[in-house]
Amino acid sequence: DAGVTQSPTHLIKTRGQQVTLRCSPKSGHDTVSWYQQALGQGPQFIFQYYEEEERQRGNFPDRFSGHQFPNYSSELNVNALLLGDSALYLCASSVLGGNNQPQHFGDGTRLSIL
Amino acid sequence: AQKITQTQPGMFVQEKEAVTLDCTYDTSDQSYGLFWYKQPSSGEMIFLIYQGSYDEQNATEGRYSLNFQKARKSANLVISASQLGDSAMYFCAMPMNTGFQKLVFGTGTRLLVSP
Repeated sequence: DAGVTQSPTHLIKTRGQQVTLRCSPKSGHDTVSWYQQALGQGPQFIFQYYEEEERQRGNFPDRFSGHQFPNYSSELNVNALLLGDSALYLCASSVLGGNNQPQHFGDGTRLSIL
Repeated sequence: AQKITQTQPGMFVQEKEAVTLDCTYDTSDQSYGLFWYKQPSSGEMIFLIYQGSYDEQNATEGRYSLNFQKARKSANLVISASQLGDSAMYFCAMPMNTGFQKLVFGTGTRLLVSP
């Protein structure tokens, strides 16, 4: 039973570029959330997708956008990269339901902006 | 809005000893839950344990247990018989009560287990 998989594992970009991160949820999960984790901090919620729609959004600018595909996989896109976007980006999947459903996380993508 | 506070940046414990990691929370919701996650250096967040506000008994999962005190708004994680593999970051998290699971995390506690 495959867990949450993310690609790539590491990425180096320069300021102003655009990046796409990918996530495949755990088998049987239909909801995908994205988090940004800066060094030494806890993860911060970016947004969540269910039924191919963005359902919730955290306090992130429009440079951050996403997509969910019919097979429940998801992409996170970041445009006009800034140095402050350097972070670990975590994808989490779950089954839509009550708030007692644990989210399962992938290993993350480490994004470095030069 | 929910808020999670973890006041211990780092904790040290010897192998086979028990350790308590603190977590306090703030919420105006009557029904809520608390999660604990472990994050090794690899980056993956590993779900450890969950406690609901209406659960009558403290949650336990193997060597992990929650010391849940609603009146003090605390949900401390207790790890019994620490192992070297327990060395990691530990995060307390609470879902926003919006019907979709959006987690609010604390700043984490780094646990180091020594032989």
